[in-house]
Amino acid sequence: AQSVTQPDIHITVSEGASLELRCNYSYGATPYLFWYVQSPGQGLQLLLKYFSGDTLVQGIKGFEAEFKRSQSSFNLRKPSVHWSDAAEYFCAVAYSGGGADGLTFGKGTHLIIQP
Amino acid sequence: DTAVSQTPKYLVTQMGNDKSIKCEQNLGHDTMYWYKQDSKKFLKIMFSYNNKELIINETVPNRFSPKSPDKAHLNLHINSLELGDSAVYFCASSGGSGANTGELFFGEGSRLTVL
Repeated sequence: AQSVTQPDIHITVSEGASLELRCNYSYGATPYLFWYVQSPGQGLQLLLKYFSGDTLVQGIKGFEAEFKRSQSSFNLRKPSVHWSDAAEYFCAVAYSGGGADGLTFGKGTHLIIQP
Repeated sequence: DTAVSQTPKYLVTQMGNDKSIKCEQNLGHDTMYWYKQDSKKFLKIMFSYNNKELIINETVPNRFSPKSPDKAHLNLHINSLELGDSAVYFCASSGGSGANTGELFFGEGSRLTVL
């Protein structure tokens, strides 16, 4: 069965420091991979996605992620975080290349920004 | 214009009551979903509909009944509410004129509190 693992439940980073959030997936075929962000009391906003091609994808708000098939990973990075980046981050994978099956989400990583 | 809108945003009710949450999308998508987010922020798919046809019906109590009058609307009715139903319920949509890659567009969520 498809699954997504985000090993870090909480991460604390100082403002201005770099960030990497880890995501590993278990999936037999080429995955469609996503990162979403959820600010407190809000819905989920798409940060970036990977379908095929260049394994380094750029997203909104200065985020990027790199797909590494050999490691079954899709880690999210940002070179310098801002206080407004404090939120819950979810990695997700699509079943069978998309369709109506929805996304399988990781359990999320709660990002705390220290001043 | 709100792409995926759900009402109400907050719902507080007593155990045993029946309640409904409505969802509408104006993105022209073919597929709509209901996800449940528990107190630990875990997101789990409940249902998906494609062009008014039920596609996914996860292990959800029969007290939960989705209804899709047309492909732009997917409502969720819950009978005999229980304490454990307290959660945030997210509506989402995907698809459109091109291939459905699984990317989801979320509403802002409906926070249900059962007392």
